[in-house]
Amino acid sequence: DAGVIQSPRHEVTEMGQEVTLRCKPISGHNSLFWYRQTMMRGLELLIYFNNNVPIDDSGMPEDRFSAKMPNASFSTLKIQPSEPRDSAVYFCASSFFSFVLNTEAFFGQGTRLTVV
Amino acid sequence: RKEVEQDPGPFNVPEGATVAFNCTYSNSASQSFFWYRQDCRKEPKLLMSVYSSGNEDGRFTAQLNRASQYISLLIRDSKLSDSATYLCVVTLRTFGTGTKLQVIP
Repeated sequence: DAGVIQSPRHEVTEMGQEVTLRCKPISGHNSLFWYRQTMMRGLELLIYFNNNVPIDDSGMPEDRFSAKMPNASFSTLKIQPSEPRDSAVYFCASSFFSFVLNTEAFFGQGTRLTVV
Repeated sequence: RKEVEQDPGPFNVPEGATVAFNCTYSNSASQSFFWYRQDCRKEPKLLMSVYSSGNEDGRFTAQLNRASQYISLLIRDSKLSDSATYLCVVTLRTFGTGTKLQVIP
């Protein structure tokens, strides 16, 4: 399996521009997570999908952030308009959720976003 | 109080040493716990899940204490390759800020 695939790996954009991050989860996984990592705040959960449905988006910082999962093999995280304080590494992760198993999440390599 | 708290370190230990990390969590209803390892500028990778009865994987031992709401990670016979940041994770929703380990030759 190729693992979780994120694109782009690096993104540099100007303040005010729209940014779209993409994620392909591991085939067969039914849960998908978007995280943001900064030096100051560490790794934070932004949103969590289960069976393509957003379950918990309480970590989405503000209305400028939106996430979609149109099907089981694709998700996007969009920032519009972007601001310098959005600069961070954004990770996507997927897992197979079951009430029986103590399942772990597998991470993509991340997108390093710089907003100037 | 933070949901998950870890000592940020760094822990600088010589090769062959035994080192232990602790992590406390605030939500007593939490059901799943993990230790992840993150190398510099890389993605986090699962080191081990933490089970109620405790579990061991080679040189690594994880323990869960529900009464005191903490989990621990013990690394025996440290290797240079163990140098990394170790993240305590609760329910995949809450990550500790990580404990940095540097194993010195």
